[in-house]
Amino acid sequence: QSALTQPASVSGSPGQSITISCTGTNSDVGGYNYVSWYQQHPGKAPKLMIYDVTNRPSGVSDRFSGSKSGNTASLTISGLQAEDEADYYCSSYTSSNTLLFGGGTKVTVL
Amino acid sequence: QVLLVESGGGLVKPGGSLRLSCAASGFTFSDYFMSWIRQAPGKGLEWLAYISSSSIYISYADSVKGRFTISRDNAKNSLYLQMNSLRAEDTAVYYCAREDKWLVRGPLQWGQGTLVTVSS
Repeated sequence: QSALTQPASVSGSPGQSITISCTGTNSDVGGYNYVSWYQQHPGKAPKLMIYDVTNRPSGVSDRFSGSKSGNTASLTISGLQAEDEADYYCSSYTSSNTLLFGGGTKVTVL
Repeated sequence: QVLLVESGGGLVKPGGSLRLSCAASGFTFSDYFMSWIRQAPGKGLEWLAYISSSSIYISYADSVKGRFTISRDNAKNSLYLQMNSLRAEDTAVYYCAREDKWLVRGPLQWGQGTLVTVSS
């Protein structure tokens, strides 16, 4: 099964908002509200930022928000900060009873 | 707090085998689904397998089906990944992760990973 489609890179200036897309199919993103987003800094393990499309775990800044429309989920980072520079991955449960990750997006703070 | 510690990584020759372990603490291990995920050097995340709390439900990615086996020992709070017929493309950092109690919705917590290198 192919990875979910994410843009390779997104950039923004401090204070701006950016949005990362995650496109799948009716068999994954579009079929379930089990989309998660992860942040990964170099050399570190991924950290859960959003689960079930829109929910933030305790301790995650409210500058991070998630949404979904059809087969595309999105992660928005508001008030971009230097510490937000990292790789971001989406994941989705699939109709094959598997989990699928996106290819990852590198966020650069200009 | 939740702690997941992987071990068992290292250098192995193509065609060889390796068994990874993940020691869990800080939560009731026997209540949760668990997953293995890997990340090849400079590449993205790849989900490999999950196992339900009582080992009834198990699923694998096509890329490892028939070569890798996920298992758990709830009495030892441990998760395992038996990897056979290893190939160069299996070189990666392998993470264990805690899922939800009732279903796989995406990993909630991750270990720090263990590096597996497949090379002659």
